[in-house]
Amino acid sequence: ETGVTQSPTHLIKTRGQQVTLRCSSQSGHNTVSWYQQALGQGPQFIFQYYREEENGRGNFPPRFSGLQFPNYSSELNVNALELDDSALYLCAGHKYNEQFFGPGTRLTVL
Amino acid sequence: GQQVMQIPQYQHVQEGEDFTTYCNSSTTLSNIQWYKQRPGGHPVFLIQLVKSGEVKKQKRLTFQFGEAKKNSSLHITATQTTDVGTYFCAGVNTSGTYKYIFGTGTRLKVLA
Repeated sequence: ETGVTQSPTHLIKTRGQQVTLRCSSQSGHNTVSWYQQALGQGPQFIFQYYREEENGRGNFPPRFSGLQFPNYSSELNVNALELDDSALYLCAGHKYNEQFFGPGTRLTVL
Repeated sequence: GQQVMQIPQYQHVQEGEDFTTYCNSSTTLSNIQWYKQRPGGHPVFLIQLVKSGEVKKQKRLTFQFGEAKKNSSLHITATQTTDVGTYFCAGVNTSGTYKYIFGTGTRLKVLA
């Protein structure tokens, strides 16, 4: 497989809550990207981290934030959850030109 | 803002028929990538095209990058049932902060 894992697999939260999603990539994946994929749509780029610093960001508000750690793991934090945040959240480790996607976390906001 | 559109949105073909999906960007891209996502799965990287007018082949799949680096296509020859899934192009901008823009996707169904 891709060597990228994500946790949890599924998550249910209520509006206004905060959530942390985790991604574990493999050695050599110095860059990690996070995406939001709504049902029936393409992945939307949230942000990218390289060597623990954000170096790219899509059109997502500041309540979407992230961290990358030296052990090739990363987090996506979302504050003040809204109903529209319900989606599949994907992380991808990068090696050379390829992105290796994890299986995703399905977030439902009620 | 920058957009990447794909057509068609859906395509049903008989096994053995050919299939093509087209990708169009509103702006010039640095590179373009193609991904396949099976139902319930995650995107799987297929290829990256970098040069203007570049053509690459992977067995039955042929990928093309337009001369202006604003459009691309994926052609599958003699489809098989294993080709079922959604095919996404992703525009890559190596400059600026917005790195990857995925297209709207083409969902392929292959009828045996």
